Amino acid sequence: KQEVTQIPAALSVPEGENLVLNCSFTDSAIYNLQWFRQDPGKGLTSLLLIQSSQREQTSGRLNASLDKSSGRSTLYIAASQPGDSATYLCAVFDNYGQNFVFGPGTRLSVLP
Amino acid sequence: GAVVSQHPSWVICKSGTSVKIECRSLDFQATTMFWYRQFPKQSLMLMATSNEGSKATYEQGVEKDKFLINHASLTLSTLTVTSAHPEDSSFYICSASSLAGREQYFGPGTRLTVT
Repeated sequence: KQEVTQIPAALSVPEGENLVLNCSFTDSAIYNLQWFRQDPGKGLTSLLLIQSSQREQTSGRLNASLDKSSGRSTLYIAASQPGDSATYLCAVFDNYGQNFVFGPGTRLSVLP
Repeated sequence: GAVVSQHPSWVICKSGTSVKIECRSLDFQATTMFWYRQFPKQSLMLMATSNEGSKATYEQGVEKDKFLINHASLTLSTLTVTSAHPEDSSFYICSASSLAGREQYFGPGTRLTVT
């Protein structure tokens, strides 16, 4: 059964710092991996989608990498801003189960 | 991009009543819709998967008689929480995917509070 973990569980950084969020999954047979942002009480916002054949995706200050063989993905946030404060979830689209398996999330606080 | 809406965005109901939550894909045909539930400080958990015109597939531990899911058309799925209890208070999120993309598009969520 696919399991997804995220490290760290929480992170607090001063504004302007570059940071990395980590996601690990146990079964490398995935269709794709997505990174989401969740603001308190709100639905998920999809940030980046990486297909299993891709190694990275970039959008603005965000860069996500995927190493399927080692079961890892990282989300790199450059020049962090207070508006980046949120919970970041990664999820793998399980090729067997036809649905997403989510990680527990990383709570990010960017201090002004 | 693809848009998924949910209605209502929040609802408060009394214990023992039933509540219906709608999930609509606004600009694409959703062959598959997913319903998730998120308790405070916990990750999003899949409740059930529904394909248009067929019965929903429920995850282990989810009571299908309590959480009724109907996916009658390619743009609408409904989740009915029957005989709601305070422990059903949660954030319910739906997502939809088309046959072509497999990417899931998420609704904004519905906050249910049962008093």
